[in-house]
Amino acid sequence: AQSVTQLDSQVPVFEEAPVELRCNYSSSVSVYLFWYVQYPNQGLQLLLKYLSGSTLVKGINGFEAEFNKSQTSFHLRKPSVHISDTAEYFCAVIREMEYGNKLVFGAGTILRVKS
Amino acid sequence: DGGITQSPKYLFRKEGQNVTLSCEQNLNHDAMYWYRQDPGQGLRLIYYSQIVNDFQKGDIAEGYSVSREKKESFPLTVTSAQKNPTAFYLCASSIVLGASGANVLTFGAGSRLTVL
Repeated sequence: AQSVTQLDSQVPVFEEAPVELRCNYSSSVSVYLFWYVQYPNQGLQLLLKYLSGSTLVKGINGFEAEFNKSQTSFHLRKPSVHISDTAEYFCAVIREMEYGNKLVFGAGTILRVKS
Repeated sequence: DGGITQSPKYLFRKEGQNVTLSCEQNLNHDAMYWYRQDPGQGLRLIYYSQIVNDFQKGDIAEGYSVSREKKESFPLTVTSAQKNPTAFYLCASSIVLGASGANVLTFGAGSRLTVL
């Protein structure tokens, strides 16, 4: 069954520094991957998605992710973070089920941007 | 603007009481979902529904119930049988893109339930 592992529970970084949030997945069939962001006490917002095609996916707020099939990874990157990027980030993969698909989420990575 | 509305945003409950969380969407989405979020555990699927009058159990359905009488509404009841109901509950919806399609979920702002 498809699953997702986010390797870091928290990532502290200084403002304007680059950041990488790591995500590994396990899947035996077609892979559809997502990154969502959650600001405190809010719902989740889609950052970007990989469905097919180019392995480098660009999303909102200057984030991008690279699908690496050989390493089964989908790491999220941003070259220069802002204080406003402080949030929790979730990697997710589609699981195909008998009655439709569902998203399976990783445990989340809290990004703390310091000034 | 189209979106998902969850209410109430904060809810307090005494042990032994049932509570119902509301979820309404005006996106004309076919599928709706309820997730539970606990710190450090990500989101876990409680129930989902692909069509009106039909719903399926997710990974942690015990102690919860749902209904889907209208396309736009998918209320979740947290029953007294749920042993640890304090959590943040998120409702989501999506277009169903076929059996192997990729569903992009739109989320509501969440409801935080605290059992006293």
